[in-house]
Amino acid sequence: DGGITQSPKYLFRKEGQNVTLSCEQNLNHDAMYWYRQDPGQGLRLIYYSQIVNDFQKGDIAEGYSVSREKKESFPLTVTSAQKNPTAFYLCASSNRGDQPQHFGDGTRLSIL
Amino acid sequence: GQQLNQSPQSMFIQEGEDVSMNCTSSSIFNTWLWYKQDPGEGPVLLIALYKAGELTSNGRLTAQFGITRKDSFLNISASIPSDVGIYFCAGRTGAGSYQLTFGKGTKLSVIP
Repeated sequence: DGGITQSPKYLFRKEGQNVTLSCEQNLNHDAMYWYRQDPGQGLRLIYYSQIVNDFQKGDIAEGYSVSREKKESFPLTVTSAQKNPTAFYLCASSNRGDQPQHFGDGTRLSIL
Repeated sequence: GQQLNQSPQSMFIQEGEDVSMNCTSSSIFNTWLWYKQDPGEGPVLLIALYKAGELTSNGRLTAQFGITRKDSFLNISASIPSDVGIYFCAGRTGAGSYQLTFGKGTKLSVIP
């Protein structure tokens, strides 16, 4: 079944800890994206990657890092520098930048 | 950055009624997308629009790309309980741009 898989569904972070959110796609899409969603808000872009080994900062990249070593995978690390990490994180992919983005089912990150 | 104003913020309707919602922008967009999000899940693409004046349907859903290229509309006819959710508009400003700007969503409740 083709799609985008995000894991885990729920994640808890302790103060000062880095955590990594997984995103895998088997749609053979070149581009992948990470968004943050807060209650009552639209989606805000954290990072995106047009191609393997390349990525660009979005509107709210501070406190986050990414890597794109494989076409299928685009993990997001929420670092201890992100002071307000509690949010719903969504990963998306698209065939090209001008094609619609398709989303995974999200990871909800909370602070312990 | 660009901003999208989506309205209404929320709406309650009777089952069987028609629904209209819209997005407006201060910037010109060359792509408009409409997504639906159920609680705890990722957004699902409903309709994509690529040309000013374009009118596209997907079952009971119809969306239009405004002539000014600064707005878009989504209509749902004969609403049913499973239409409940949050509807987001998203726009892309330029050819080759990977970044989408999202509205804050319209929360739809359907009263049986």
